[in-house]
Amino acid sequence: AQSVTQLGSHVSVSEGALVLLRCNYSSSVPPYLFWYVQYPNQGLQLLLKYTSAATLVKGINGFEAEFKKSETSFHLTKPSAHMSDAAEYFCAVSDRGDTGRRALTFGSGTRLQVQP
Amino acid sequence: GAGVSQSPSNKVTEKGKDVELRCDPISGHTALYWYRQSLGQGLEFLIYFQGNSAPDKSGLPSDRFSAERTGGSVSTLTIQRTQQEDSAVYLCASSLGAGGHSPLHFGNGTRLTVT
Repeated sequence: AQSVTQLGSHVSVSEGALVLLRCNYSSSVPPYLFWYVQYPNQGLQLLLKYTSAATLVKGINGFEAEFKKSETSFHLTKPSAHMSDAAEYFCAVSDRGDTGRRALTFGSGTRLQVQP
Repeated sequence: GAGVSQSPSNKVTEKGKDVELRCDPISGHTALYWYRQSLGQGLEFLIYFQGNSAPDKSGLPSDRFSAERTGGSVSTLTIQRTQQEDSAVYLCASSLGAGGHSPLHFGNGTRLTVT
């Protein structure tokens, strides 16, 4: 069974500081991995996805994530936080096997606050 | 093009009543998902439709919950005899393909409040 753990339900950074949101996964086979963002009063939108090409994945708004199989991690980073990055971020995993559920399994989310 | 559309955006109902939540997926998307987002919690998978295959209902929390997808397009999530713990935002998403790599496109959700 696949699962996702996001360490830290709340993260607060200063504007211009590094953003690091942690995600660890558990999957019986090499998974597909995703980060979604939910801005206040909006639906979720895709930030980036890993599907077995390059292990360093670049997404929208300057975010990137690195797939590390040895650490079963897919942490999300951004070199310099902007006020507009304040949102809730969700890591998600999907089994790439032929059997098993194809729906994404989401982590519990990390709320990012950006202080001026 | 149009995104995933959900209606109503807000629903307030009395405990014990039945409710129906509607989802219009993106045209051409074969996969449709329902998730539930409770305050302070992540997204809880409810049900997944893929083409003409039998839906994956493994996430439905009780037999009061059911969902249909008619003609491979519009889906309705029905909650019978609503309870206060059913209060949450119900999110619908669709994706282009059956593979787990296809990203999901989410609607803005229906906020359900059971009083």
